Amino acid sequence: LAKTTQPISMDSYEGQEVNITCSHNNIATNDYITWYQQFPSQGPRFIIQGYKTKVTNEVASLFIPADRKSSTLSLPRVSLSDTAVYYCLLTGGGNKLTFGTGTQLKVEL
Amino acid sequence: DAGITQSPRHKVTETGTPVTLRCHQTENHRYMYWYRQDPGHGLRLIHYSYGVKDTDKGEVSDGYSVSRSKTEDFLLTLESATSSQTSVYFCAISGEGEGDSYEQYFGPGTRLTVT
Repeated sequence: LAKTTQPISMDSYEGQEVNITCSHNNIATNDYITWYQQFPSQGPRFIIQGYKTKVTNEVASLFIPADRKSSTLSLPRVSLSDTAVYYCLLTGGGNKLTFGTGTQLKVEL
Repeated sequence: DAGITQSPRHKVTETGTPVTLRCHQTENHRYMYWYRQDPGHGLRLIHYSYGVKDTDKGEVSDGYSVSRSKTEDFLLTLESATSSQTSVYFCAISGEGEGDSYEQYFGPGTRLTVT
């Protein structure tokens, strides 16, 4: 399965925009790029998914360049409650998910 | 939130004893999964099911077995628990998604400690 690489941790302040970049150089043609969020003592929660260009929902935006070798999750105006681990996954060719160690986002006042 | 529950939520057991964890869903989803999460490893797939009586292994299936006799229940059994199986176990479900991608919904988790 193609692997993803993302920063181990990021720090931000309330009200700022946070961008988390994920590298996936060996992405396959049928792979979608999917992001999950996990709070302590809870299961992961689906945030957003895309195949190419830009996807936006009520929570986040996902930017995917034309070569699809990377993607960026954008969280607008973060708050303390956005402190969580964010996972970037490639989902294609079936329904098995491969989670890495994710990015620990810490938001401070 | 998806209707998915896990039981028990916490369990302490001794090495060598059998343990069964239960995942129950009310969404009538086809796919069900068992993951374990350990510090520094993210989530790792143990077993999954793609229908009643249809199961397959994930990346860390040794020491675990599963059963799915009806759509709503997926059981994970540790035949003889070991300390290395101390972990947080998550169940997940998914239906049929567009293309080849499937959004998964996760349960609240079961914290298992093997002493």
